Formats: sequence, structure tokens, C-alpha cells
Amino acid sequence: QSVLTQPPSVSGAPGQRVTISCTGSSSNIGAGYDVNWYQQLPGTAPKLLIRANNNRPSGVPDRFSDSRSGTSASLAITGLQAEDEADYYCQSYDRSLAAYVFGTGTEVTVL
Amino acid sequence: QVQLQESGPGLVKPSETLSLTCTVSGGSISSDYWSWIRQPPGRGLEWIGYISYSGSTNYNPSLKNRVTISINTSKDQFSLKVTSLTAADTAVYYCARGVFSMDVWGKGTTVTVSS
Repeated sequence: QSVLTQPPSVSGAPGQRVTISCTGSSSNIGAGYDVNWYQQLPGTAPKLLIRANNNRPSGVPDRFSDSRSGTSASLAITGLQAEDEADYYCQSYDRSLAAYVFGTGTEVTVL
Repeated sequence: QVQLQESGPGLVKPSETLSLTCTVSGGSISSDYWSWIRQPPGRGLEWIGYISYSGSTNYNPSLKNRVTISINTSKDQFSLKVTSLTAADTAVYYCARGVFSMDVWGKGTTVTVSS
């Protein structure tokens, strides 16, 4: 079981805004460690979507943004598009486990 | 740009050792950190460990006693060994550049542990 908990699925209509939460603890997000987000399209390798502090790699549209508060972080997708259907994972570091950890993953469905 | 390619056997027997190699092209392996991650069928991602260009390593404590990562800078390759395999090690294994934020990933290689 991951120490970073995400909702199993979220859905929205094209054009809508959806958010994905990533709930951690004082050993990871709450300790101030950075949170990154990855997108995994069906049958492909994960892709870095957002680095800590809303730092998007080249080519990632600004429809994707992140935020954090306390022991949680969130990924927001605005103007949802069919191509955004994928699994999304948060990632951080956990000092109790002394390991880099991924969230449980969230499947985004475009209705 | 930098590309990564995993290689190794697709099928290994229980109790045996898995050996995978990641080949780096389009850039030098001698200037970064390199990670292995795995994903069991239908499940999430698990960080296995990383190695630096100078050879320092760090492993997931949950796998630490069974995992070794090494690097060969002359071949622009780094490798993963996992010992004492069980069915629970069946997964897609990915190599990636970076430790904390992994910005380049290989396509992954499927490893099945079965007799």
C-alpha cells in the first residue's frame, strides 16, 4: 500500500475542470518534500507532467497545474480533452520509509 | 534527445535472478542519476532504486536485500539485478533518468516470473 493516497477515478465532460488529490502525511508531503505528477497513457510508459511548484516540462500545456496544502497536493486539469484520458500518479519522498514513493494512481475518464 | 531502452529476459523462473540493462542514447550517462521503477500488472508504480554517474546507489528498503544496481559508463548502460524472484516480482520494469523527478523513461520491459 502506498503512503500517498489518490482517488481511484475521476471523470468530467470535455471542457470541464477536474482535480486529483494526493493525500500524504507529515513524513512526506507534510515534511515539505516536493511533489511531482506523472501521466500514463494506456499501454505506455509514465511521462513527467509537472515537477514541484508548477514547473511543467517543455510541451506540457498550461491546462495542467498543481498545488499543495499541508499534507496534501492536487493536480488540476482545466479544459478537459479526450487526449487527457490516462492514469495520473503523484510522487514524493517519504523520510520514514527512506524511499521515493508514488501515489496509488487515478484514472481520468472524459465523458 | 536522450532515450532509454530496457533489455533482458521476458520470462524467469522462481528463485532465480533477474538481470536487466538500460541503454542510454542521445546523451551521456556520466552526468546524471538513473532509476529503476516497476509496475505489476494492473497496479501502480514502485520505485526500486537509483544509481549516480559516480556509482553511488540507494534502494527501496522493501527490496534492498534483493536488489543491486550497477553502472557501466563506457557503454552508457546501467543495470538491475533482483535475486530470489517470486511471482510478486512479475511486472513491467522501467528505467528512467533522474531520482526525484524522472523526466525521461524507457518504454518498459515485461518480466514474468513463472516456472
